[in-house]
Amino acid sequence: GQSLEQPSEVTAVEGAIVQINCTYQTSGFYGLSWYQQHDGGAPTFLSYNALDGLEETGRFSSFLSRSDSYGYLLLQELQMKDSASYFCALSGGSYIPTFGRGTSLIVHP
Amino acid sequence: SAVISQKPSRDICQRGTSLTIQCQVDSQVTMMFWYRQQPGQSLTLIATANQGSEATYESGFVIDKFPISRPNLTFSTLTVSNMSPEDSSIYLCSVEGLAKNNEQFFGPGTRLTVL
Repeated sequence: GQSLEQPSEVTAVEGAIVQINCTYQTSGFYGLSWYQQHDGGAPTFLSYNALDGLEETGRFSSFLSRSDSYGYLLLQELQMKDSASYFCALSGGSYIPTFGRGTSLIVHP
Repeated sequence: SAVISQKPSRDICQRGTSLTIQCQVDSQVTMMFWYRQQPGQSLTLIATANQGSEATYESGFVIDKFPISRPNLTFSTLTVSNMSPEDSSIYLCSVEGLAKNNEQFFGPGTRLTVL
């Protein structure tokens, strides 16, 4: 099987940088994705890492280390609208992702 | 990208009844996925629906409880049968994007409350 671990909650102030970590266990590996979900909304795709290294998309970056079974999402220049839940999702033995429990990010003014 | 709509957006149902949730996509897709998300929890895959074949169910989910239809490449339904309060959840359908980045697009969800 496969499993993912991520912190349940992270808090930060507006303008800061925050990192949300995700560790995983799996027998196979296709990639690690990140999704954002606001309260009452649908999850929306942020990024996907299939290879080691950093992928940057605007204020958001995602990192993967396959040897460490570890990834993180980095959010820079935090804004109040970034307050949401963030899910890492593992495509391990199948390309269909398995979602982590989610990290609630609270951004304070 | 894909635009997905779901009906109903929410419903309150009585124990023992059934509810059918519809999912419509604005483009033809091979696979559609049905997820369940309990309040404050993660997304759990219920089943994968291919057009023209039986849905593939994940461990812990069975066809008698969650029958799925996939009559064409843009539409699917999920029925939650013989409901109990434990079925209260948000049900989401999703499809894969065309880019090779494993992106999934999600519908807005159906918020189900079973009394």
